Amino acid sequence: DTAVSQTPKYLVTQMGNDKSIKCEQNLGHDTMYWYKQDSKKFLKIMFSYNNKELIINETVPNRFSPKSPDKAHLNLHINSLELGDSAVYFCASSRRTAERGLASGANVLTFGAGSRLTVL
Amino acid sequence: EDQVTQSPEALRLQEGESSSLNCSYTVSGLRGLFWYRQDPGKGPEFLFTLYSAGEEKEKERLKATLTKKESFLHITAPKPEDSATYLCAVRSEDSNYQLIWGAGTKLIIKP
Repeated sequence: DTAVSQTPKYLVTQMGNDKSIKCEQNLGHDTMYWYKQDSKKFLKIMFSYNNKELIINETVPNRFSPKSPDKAHLNLHINSLELGDSAVYFCASSRRTAERGLASGANVLTFGAGSRLTVL
Repeated sequence: EDQVTQSPEALRLQEGESSSLNCSYTVSGLRGLFWYRQDPGKGPEFLFTLYSAGEEKEKERLKATLTKKESFLHITAPKPEDSATYLCAVRSEDSNYQLIWGAGTKLIIKP
């Protein structure tokens, strides 16, 4: 059973198009994330949702819009795609905690396999 | 500004040749340092969490250590299947739930 699954794995599209990436987790986690990994391999947080509530919204163009229908799903919709949007997008989930000392595994992220977006 | 720097960018070793990867950080109040492994075409996979200077964690051929300014990932007698990119990330008092990631070290183990 895949813990965090995201689709599609590959997406090739033209500039100006609108596309969506879907993510689902079956771990019972209450927090989900979208990360962008650029060509230099840096992972940058884009959004985070806890129990369907947006808790992190980094400086991301408003062409990117996350949607969380329930705490097991977090989708990413991108409008008017640009060349610079080409990257690998990772979905991740975790059990949210602000304090050290909770059960082992707290705050550990489980990632999906990534969705490689290529904008032509 | 919180920063994480990993070195070297790439490391090629012969099977059985032990070495260490470095993760240097400058954060205001560390609240956890994390090591992940990333294989090509896959997402990062959690390895260790360290919280305090002097703490050590081990898993098979890997051992992670932490000081006040850096963490080392020691690899003892590596095998080809240890080849991957190793990522380091930190949480700080200022970053709240966000992880600040390094660019990773690409490790290649030749048989």
